[in-house]
Amino acid sequence: EAEVAQSPRYKITEKSQAVAFWCDPISGHATLYWYRQILGQGPELLVQFQDESVVDDSQLPKDRFSAERLKGVDSTLKIQPAELGDSAMYLCASRLDPNTDTQYFGPGTRLTVL
Amino acid sequence: AQSVAQPEDQVNVAEGNPLTVKCTYSVSGNPYLFWYVQYPNRGLQFLLKYITGDNLVKGSYGFEAEFNKSQTSFHLKKPSALVSDSALYFCAVRKGGTASKLTFGTGTRLQVTL
Repeated sequence: EAEVAQSPRYKITEKSQAVAFWCDPISGHATLYWYRQILGQGPELLVQFQDESVVDDSQLPKDRFSAERLKGVDSTLKIQPAELGDSAMYLCASRLDPNTDTQYFGPGTRLTVL
Repeated sequence: AQSVAQPEDQVNVAEGNPLTVKCTYSVSGNPYLFWYVQYPNRGLQFLLKYITGDNLVKGSYGFEAEFNKSQTSFHLKKPSALVSDSALYFCAVRKGGTASKLTFGTGTRLQVTL
């Protein structure tokens, strides 16, 4: 069964450093999402891509976060500089098309900022 | 704005007993409703969804959920709980349509004991 891939699974960094997370969606899925999940809470959408275009980045802290999906396949989420409050699980999800509607999630990247 | 409420932080049930995890929602228009399960340090796994049709939806691992429009609820149920069902469960909602984002509840931890 096809899965969403994410790497790394765990990342420890010091504040003010730069970090990057990678996501490879299920093959053929045009829609890709990045979520942030703080411990004890549900996931919150950071950014949504349709192919290579950003559809919604209203909740992305653009002063330090950036996301790209240059060829409309895999995607990278970057934080620079990282802050203590960025410690969270970063989840990637993908969806085939609006009619199928189900989002499938990757295993996530657990970020710890010291 | 759309929202999801999961009123119980934790649900405890003995193995073999029926379980219910509660979810209520608020959204304008027709709701699309989802349940996901999350195991420790893992991403979210899709369980089931309601888009339209029969109010009783059957999903993975013997779980089912009942859509109740008048009570704006979508409770997750299973006739006989297993210890392996112990995990974090998230309800999510979005407005029917291609552009609306998925909003998650805060999660309910299910603890099944022998």
